[in-house]
Amino acid sequence: GEDVEQSLFLSVREGDSSVINCTYTDSSSTYLYWYKQEPGAGLQLLTYIFSNMDMKQDQRLTVLLNKKDKHLSLRIADTQTGDSAIYFCAEFPYSGAGSYQLTFGKGTKLSVIP
Amino acid sequence: DAGVIQSPRHEVTEMGQEVTLRCKPISGHNSLFWYRQTMMRGLELLIYFNNNVPIDDSGMPEDRFSAKMPNASFSTLKIQPSEPRDSAVYFCASSLTTGEGETQYFGPGTRLLVL
Repeated sequence: GEDVEQSLFLSVREGDSSVINCTYTDSSSTYLYWYKQEPGAGLQLLTYIFSNMDMKQDQRLTVLLNKKDKHLSLRIADTQTGDSAIYFCAEFPYSGAGSYQLTFGKGTKLSVIP
Repeated sequence: DAGVIQSPRHEVTEMGQEVTLRCKPISGHNSLFWYRQTMMRGLELLIYFNNNVPIDDSGMPEDRFSAKMPNASFSTLKIQPSEPRDSAVYFCASSLTTGEGETQYFGPGTRLLVL
């Protein structure tokens, strides 16, 4: 079955790096996503990585993918108070015939301490 | 583009009343998703449409919930009759489904409180 696991909470000091981890179970996943949800708002796509990549960097964000261990991580460099939010990992376990669903983890709440 | 538009943003109603949530997807997107988010259960997929056709409604809690997509630019999620346990944030998301990826764009959500 499909399952995406994340730790529920992470607390870091402003200026430090944050690393949010995620594990998934479906080895056929083609795309893996990170979404950010700020209080009172919808989910905002942060970044995604294709399964044939090991790493993707976008400004302060670095995504690492370990396909062997089915482990995905999001590193936020120089974490700011504005990064405080819930971060969702999601996989696209493409199964061919007409399946378009993303499977989301329960989210990691990142708290940044000034 | 205005993004995914949902209305109303907030809804407070009494148990037993009918509630209708509305969604306008991003123009050109061909898939639309309804999610429910609660503290206890996290983000749950209720139903999704592709080219206006419901593909999977296995996440719909029970017969009190129904969803329609009469055209490519509008969808509704209806709860009749509503119950306090339906209180949650309901998100609509849309995407351009190509079969190779699935980048979903979320609306701001409708916060529903059933008293």
